[in-house]
Amino acid sequence: DSGVTQTPKHLITATGQRVTLRCSPRSGDLSVYWYQQSLDQGLQFLIQYYNGEERAKGNILERFSAQQFPDLHSELNLSSLELGDSALYFCASSVALMSTGQFFGPGTRLTVL
Amino acid sequence: GEDVEQSLFLSVREGDSSVINCTYTDSSSTYLYWYKQEPGAGLQLLTYIFSNMDMKQDQRLTVLLNKKDKHLSLRIADTQTGDSAIYFCAESIRAAGNKLTFGGGTRVLVKP
Repeated sequence: DSGVTQTPKHLITATGQRVTLRCSPRSGDLSVYWYQQSLDQGLQFLIQYYNGEERAKGNILERFSAQQFPDLHSELNLSSLELGDSALYFCASSVALMSTGQFFGPGTRLTVL
Repeated sequence: GEDVEQSLFLSVREGDSSVINCTYTDSSSTYLYWYKQEPGAGLQLLTYIFSNMDMKQDQRLTVLLNKKDKHLSLRIADTQTGDSAIYFCAESIRAAGNKLTFGGGTRVLVKP
């Protein structure tokens, strides 16, 4: 158990809908990262937050957005969902902005029908 | 640009050593990592190596880094059935923030 929690574990929804994925980092970790794992794209970095502020952006679609709250939990919002958004979404956390190693949560499996 | 490559599959007998290989293209990689993913689970950080090191040993795991060839390997000694999983190598580049760029993963199957 990495100490990173993600909810929900599974999410099934329809095209065009909007969903919110939630992540709680390990106790004491200030940095949160979101990754997407799909069969065709592999593991891809989406976005990083540090102490409430966005710090780095990867291959994140404009339909996706994220935020980190004062209690350091983070939410990833996915809107206008398409079939191709079906994937595993992982949250990871680390102590500092440039920490060695990131600790991953169990993931949220999103299925878009 | 950043690109990390791994072979797709490795089969090994229980008790033998496994060697998983990875190549990367960006010479400014700061840290290189090995993660393990078991079915239905998240990624578990196994070990990492700083780019100015050649080797790191951690119990049954040995990481070798050839910076000239941009080649990273993970050796698992005395491989057990519980080592069956997908292994990902990843790099981070300090100048590009702390994001991880992952390889495609190597599926390791340990046969009894």
